[in-house]
Parts: sequence; structure tokens; C-alpha cells
Amino acid sequence: EGQLVESGGGLLQPGGSLRLSCAASGFAFSSYAMDWVRQAPGKGLEWVSAINGRGDTTYYADSVKGRFTISRDNSKNTLYLQMNSLRAEDTAVYFCAKDDIVVVGYYYYMGVWGKGTTVTVSS
Amino acid sequence: DIQMTQSPSSLSASEGDRVTLTCRASQNIGRYINWYQQKPGRAPKLLIYAASSLQSGVPSRFSGSGSGTDFTLTISSLQPEDFATYFCQQSYSTLKWTFGQGTKVEIK
Repeated sequence: EGQLVESGGGLLQPGGSLRLSCAASGFAFSSYAMDWVRQAPGKGLEWVSAINGRGDTTYYADSVKGRFTISRDNSKNTLYLQMNSLRAEDTAVYFCAKDDIVVVGYYYYMGVWGKGTTVTVSS
Repeated sequence: DIQMTQSPSSLSASEGDRVTLTCRASQNIGRYINWYQQKPGRAPKLLIYAASSLQSGVPSRFSGSGSGTDFTLTISSLQPEDFATYFCQQSYSTLKWTFGQGTKVEIK
């Protein structure tokens, strides 16, 4: 099934940059699409970005498009999220998640989640 | 983009109650919906995928149903460990997911 461990969160000022990492283990990392999902304090879940297994196709929520970049290093079993031009509304716990799939019908679901890393943007 | 709307936003129930949570999609998504449970300070946990398939290890008191735009998550007999927030998520738009806003199940 696997394990995911996020790192890289912190406190920074508006306009700053940060790179989150997600270390994967226990599964064939390059075979799976991966996601970043965030949760602002006291709020619901917001999907942020996804990347396919090869790393050549990426997807973004409108709220982060042009500011965040998702990438992966399959040789290191690691997922990244580069966050630039950070705003107060980006304050959240950021989770990485593994996209499992039922091949018949292409039913995707986030079957494995990390524990999250906290990003706080404040002046 | 596909919008997911959950109702109610919160509910109070007692141990042993049958509880039904609802999620409505803004367009036909077939059976491309998943349900997650989240407890405070914890990561979400997958309960149901593809509308009605129970994730391995999840108790059978949880069940999902529906297709098209209207979906339900049912807990047949609420247990103390089930008090949590539940989120639906559409998986119709490949790798451009959206979540519902959540339903918080509280102790009456």
C-alpha cells in the first residue's frame, strides 16, 4: 500500500517561496499519479495539483495556477510542490496523496495519504 | 469545473443511529465518486471508492450508493469512532479532482 511523508513546511511572509517534498516508500512510485491537497485552518479539503507517473503531465487548481509547480523525481521516489508568490490564503496543511486506480472503468481514488506539513503565510 | 455539494453541513446523532450523508454533483459523473473520513488533526482516510466499493479494512456498516448526480454515504449503526467529518470527491475529471465541503457528524 505504501507510506508518504511530507516535509518542508514553515512560516514565511507574503510573496515568499517554499518547496514542499513528499517521500514515498513501499510501492512502485513511478507507476502512480500523485496529488497535493491542502486544508486551511478550520476548512475543508482543497485539491491543489496532480502529476502523472512519468511526470510529463501536470494539473492545477485555478487558485494556484501560475504560482505553484508540481514535479517528481522518480529516481528518488519523491514528489515536490514549488510554491511562489505565496499569499495569506495559501496558509494550510498540505497533504500529498497517491492516486490508486481501478483499471476497469478508470476509477481513481486517493488511497494513501501523508500526515501533512503546515505552511503559514503571514506578515 | 465540477462542483460537489454536500448536505447537511453538520448533523447530530446518537450511537446506534442510522446516518445518511448526501453529495450532489453539478453534472453527471456516473459512479466517479469517493468518500473520505477525517478526524481532527489527522489525514483523510478513504472509505468508499467508485460510489459503492468498500475500501479494504473499512467496516461494513459504511456503504455508498448513487450514480449520475446524487450520491449517499450511509452508516448503518453509528459507533463512537465514527464521529468525524466526511468528504465526497469526484474522480470524473481525471486528475482534476474536487471535494465537497464536508459533513461533520457530531454526538447528540
